[in-house]
Amino acid sequence: QVQLVESGGGVVQPGRSLRLSCAASGFTFSRYAMHWVRQAPGKGLEWVAVISDDGRNKDYADSVKGRFTISRDNPKNTLNLHMYSLGAEDTAVYYCASTYDFWNGYYVDWGQGTLVTVSS
Amino acid sequence: DIQMTQSPSTLSASVGDRVTITCRASQSISSWLAWYQQKPGKAPKLLIYKASSLESGVPSRFRGSGSGTEFTLTISSLQPDDFATYFCQHYNTYPWTFGQGTKVEIK
Repeated sequence: QVQLVESGGGVVQPGRSLRLSCAASGFTFSRYAMHWVRQAPGKGLEWVAVISDDGRNKDYADSVKGRFTISRDNPKNTLNLHMYSLGAEDTAVYYCASTYDFWNGYYVDWGQGTLVTVSS
Repeated sequence: DIQMTQSPSTLSASVGDRVTITCRASQSISSWLAWYQQKPGKAPKLLIYKASSLESGVPSRFRGSGSGTEFTLTISSLQPDDFATYFCQHYNTYPWTFGQGTKVEIK
């Protein structure tokens, strides 16, 4: 069955960087757009970034634009999120999620999430 | 950006009750709306897509309706497993945004 497994979360100091990964299995990864969605503790959901199935198209929330970079490795069925210049406002559980289409879609499958805590 | 506003924020109900949650978009999103259920410590689960299409495996007591700017999620007869937080999400244009959530509590 479909599995999305995030990793790479942890405690990081303000201003530092972190890389999250999402390992996909059980479906044809290269046919799906992939997203990162985050949820601050006790808060709602916030879309962070998207990458098209072939990796050519990307988009970011204004709150992370210029600081986060989304990428994917289709042969390795892996999605990444490089996060730079982290601040307290980036503290959240980060989920990877798939959609059928880059421009129009709903989140069919989600990972279990990985917690990023930005604190000194 | 399109803002999504859910109401109520919290809802107290009993098993067997009919429950309705409303989601309003700040501009028309046609039918590009999804509903998710989230339980504590878990990822969201897709319930409804395209405003009224029931995701495979989701019980038929969940019903979505609406178009344009006003949408509703109705649970026809609340079951013990339904106590959770529900989010709406539009996917009309980027950035895709979510409502703030509606927590359904036991009365």
